[in-house]
Amino acid sequence: GNSVTQMEGPVTLSEEAFLTINCTYTATGYPSLFWYVQYPGEGLQLLLKATKADDKGSNKGFEATYRKETTSFHLEKGSVQVSDSAVYFCALSDWTNSKLTFGKGITLSVRP
Amino acid sequence: NAGVTQTPKFRVLKTGQSMTLLCAQDMNHEYMYWYRQDPGMGLRLIHYSVGEGTTAKGEVPDGYNVSRLKKQNFLLGLESAAPSQTSVYFCASQDRGNQPQHFGDGTRLSIL
Repeated sequence: GNSVTQMEGPVTLSEEAFLTINCTYTATGYPSLFWYVQYPGEGLQLLLKATKADDKGSNKGFEATYRKETTSFHLEKGSVQVSDSAVYFCALSDWTNSKLTFGKGITLSVRP
Repeated sequence: NAGVTQTPKFRVLKTGQSMTLLCAQDMNHEYMYWYRQDPGMGLRLIHYSVGEGTTAKGEVPDGYNVSRLKKQNFLLGLESAAPSQTSVYFCASQDRGNQPQHFGDGTRLSIL
């Protein structure tokens, strides 16, 4: 079956630091990959997505590249802000199964 | 632009009581989902629906029932609440398979 593995957290960074959050996956077929963000007290929001190998998703300064050879979809941002403090979830879905498979999420805290 | 709306936002129940959580979406999406979110567990799928009048079990369906009588609404019922069902419940909708899911802001449910 499908699975998503995220790096262990929490992660604490200073403002303007570089961010990498690792995500690897196992899937049959050709999944679409997503990063969702959850701000305190809110639901999940789609941050970015990629639907095929070598696609790069980007939004709000965040980027992630669909790497089929390493089955990875790592999230990066060059300079984080305090407002980026949130929980980040990596997820996948495929055409055979509409359901999303989520990683456990990782909490990011950014200090001023 | 309401998107996905969940009611109520907060609720406290006593063990053995019943209640229904309502999810409404205004995007004409075919698929709808109910998740629960618990610390350290990520999101777990309870039940889902791939169209009006259809429902299916997810990862953790025991103790819950659902109905999708209208395309825009997806109801989650707890017939006899237990403390183990204390959680944050999220509803999501999806246009079709392999597309992003859109989440509501959640219902925080405590069972004493």
